[in-house]
Amino acid sequence: GNSVTQMEGPVTLSEEAFLTINCTYTATGYPSLFWYVQYPGEGLQLLLKATKADDKGSNKGFEATYRKETTSFHLEKGSVQVSDSAVYFCALSPQGYKLSFGAGTTVTVRA
Amino acid sequence: DVKVTQSSRYLVKRTGEKVFLECVQDMDHENMFWYRQDPGLGLRLIYFSYDVKMKEKGDIPEGYSVSREKKERFSLILESASTNQTSMYLCASSSDRAGGYTFGSGTRLTVV
Repeated sequence: GNSVTQMEGPVTLSEEAFLTINCTYTATGYPSLFWYVQYPGEGLQLLLKATKADDKGSNKGFEATYRKETTSFHLEKGSVQVSDSAVYFCALSPQGYKLSFGAGTTVTVRA
Repeated sequence: DVKVTQSSRYLVKRTGEKVFLECVQDMDHENMFWYRQDPGLGLRLIYFSYDVKMKEKGDIPEGYSVSREKKERFSLILESASTNQTSMYLCASSSDRAGGYTFGSGTRLTVV
C-alpha cells in the first residue's frame, strides 16, 4: 500500500541552525509529494510540493527534492528562526487525490 | 483570501449526543475531506467527497457519517458521540487531483 514514514520528533534547534526532516515513502506508480506545516493552534498549510522525480519544491527558505531512487522527500532549511517552530507533515498523493500523511515531526526553535 | 471555514473551534458534547461539525469553502472546490488528528497517530481520513451528494469512506469511517447537499458545504456527523471520538477534526478541500489541499483551522471536540 501507500505510506509515508517521517523522522520522529521532537526536534529542538537553536536559531540559525540547519534543519533536516527525513521523509521516505512507499507507493505504486508516480505519486505527488508534499510538505505541510501546522503552526500552534492552526490548521495545516501547504508548504511545498513536487509532482515528479527530481523536482525541487521550495517556499519560505525550505526545500525538498523528489528522489525516486531513494523514495525520499527530505525537508531542509539552512537557517531556522523561532517562527519556524511548528509541526511538519510529509504527505503523498498516489493518484492525485486522497493524501496519505506521515505522523508529523514537532520542531522547536530556541532563541 | 481563499478559505475553508469550520463552524466551531471548540466543542464539548456529552456521550450519546448527535454532533454536527460544519465545513464551508468559498473556492468552488469539487473535493472535500474530513480528517481527525490525534497525538502520535497523525492525520487519519474519515470521509471524503468528490461532488455534491457523493461520499466515500476513508480509513476510519466507523461511528461517523457525512452530508454534502451543496458544493460548498461538507458536514461530519457523529451519530452517537463517544469518548474515543474526542479529537481534533480537520476539514480540507481541493480543486484538482494533484493535491494541494486547503485546510480549515480545525475543531477540537471533547466528548464527556
